[in-house]
Amino acid sequence: EVQLVESGGGLVQPGGSLRLSCAASGFTFSDHYMDWVRQAPGKGLEWVGRTRNKANSYTTEYAASVKGRFTISRDDSKNSLYLQMNSLKTEDTAVYYCAREPAAIPRRYFDYWGQGTLVTVSS
Amino acid sequence: QSALTQPASVSGSPGQSITISCTGTSSDVGGYNYVSWYQQHPGKAPKLMIYDVSKRPSGVSNRFSGSKSGNTASLTISGLQAEDEADYYCCSYAGSSTFVFGGGTKLTVL
Repeated sequence: EVQLVESGGGLVQPGGSLRLSCAASGFTFSDHYMDWVRQAPGKGLEWVGRTRNKANSYTTEYAASVKGRFTISRDDSKNSLYLQMNSLKTEDTAVYYCAREPAAIPRRYFDYWGQGTLVTVSS
Repeated sequence: QSALTQPASVSGSPGQSITISCTGTSSDVGGYNYVSWYQQHPGKAPKLMIYDVSKRPSGVSNRFSGSKSGNTASLTISGLQAEDEADYYCCSYAGSSTFVFGGGTKLTVL
């Protein structure tokens, strides 16, 4: 069974940093591109960014709203995905989901999602 | 990119059919056959319902179908059931390895 479990959320002050983790199981993590998607309270979904797999050099892409502040990384030996968030703003307050893209090309959707972890940016 | 445009809410009675629209531009919805739809119940994670405009993952009821015309994609749910009451989000590939979501539509089953 595919499972994605996020952790690391919490309360942080504006300008602060936080690192989220996503533990994957039930599939060959290294084969898949992985993404972060967030949802502000009472709002819609917003794509944050993605990391490609080893075969594609672990390259990353980001939404304009987080580029330069957020960094996505992964450790295939630990079946884990990470989101390092720096220079946090109040508008980054959201539930952050990790999501899997399918292994088969083209990878243009998210077939499994975690339950999310809440990040609150407030003084 | 700007979020795709969805109606804030739609409603229908059990057994009826409803359609949710998702309007973008030629840079996203109109430019690629990579529209997906997600169902989200309150407090839960999104669930994939449709991908590549009209394909259904295994395990998703055939009451759910998708289509696209120009810059607008649509999700149709036939034979509405109480359990279909949820928020629905469209998502499109937007080029340069990025994605854009719609603002979401709340479906109420009367």
